[in-house]
Amino acid sequence: AQKVTQAQTEISVVEKEDVTLDCVYETRDTTYYLFWYKQPPSGELVFLIRRNSFDEQNEISGRYSWNFQKSTSSFNFTITASQVVDSAVYFCALRRMVYGGSQGNLIFGKGTKLSVKP
Amino acid sequence: DSGVTQTPKHLITATGQRVTLRCSPRSGDLSVYWYQQSLDQGLQFLIQYYNGEERAKGNILERFSAQQFPDLHSELNLSSLELGDSALYFCASSAGATSSYEQYFGPGTRLTVT
Repeated sequence: AQKVTQAQTEISVVEKEDVTLDCVYETRDTTYYLFWYKQPPSGELVFLIRRNSFDEQNEISGRYSWNFQKSTSSFNFTITASQVVDSAVYFCALRRMVYGGSQGNLIFGKGTKLSVKP
Repeated sequence: DSGVTQTPKHLITATGQRVTLRCSPRSGDLSVYWYQQSLDQGLQFLIQYYNGEERAKGNILERFSAQQFPDLHSELNLSSLELGDSALYFCASSAGATSSYEQYFGPGTRLTVT
């Protein structure tokens, strides 16, 4: 079975602090995709990143960085110098890497609500 | 803007009623996914259609059904509504049916059952 756990339900930081959102996943597949999505107060789901399971390189995009460690089944997300606009619910998700069939659906964690205070 | 449209944006109805949520995928996308986001269950996959055919089913109740039409838009029908069906319903589309294709989410339809 596939499962994504985001143990942090809510995090509150002050602007300019760094914050790391944890994500631990479970899967028996050897190949899969991992994702992070952002859901601002307006409600839409905004895609942030996709990683393939065979690519463990960390990625940095501006103030965002992602640490993928297959050995610990973790895919953590760090926001550096947080800003008020970063306030949102962040979801980690898993998708099986299946070719020629279906099961392309996303399996989401429960989300972490990040509040960044000025 | 993802290019996926969902109507209506908000829907308020009473228990026992039936509603239809509509989704138009991005131009050229053949696959449509429906997800439900509720306080209890979080974000969960309901059903997937590809080019008019059902491809995968998740935790979709028997009171719920969906279809994808020849013009590729999709509708999610919810009947005999209960208070617990109140949720944000998302539609996502992708070019293909398999997991190698990116999913793009619509803005969601917020359903409130009173």
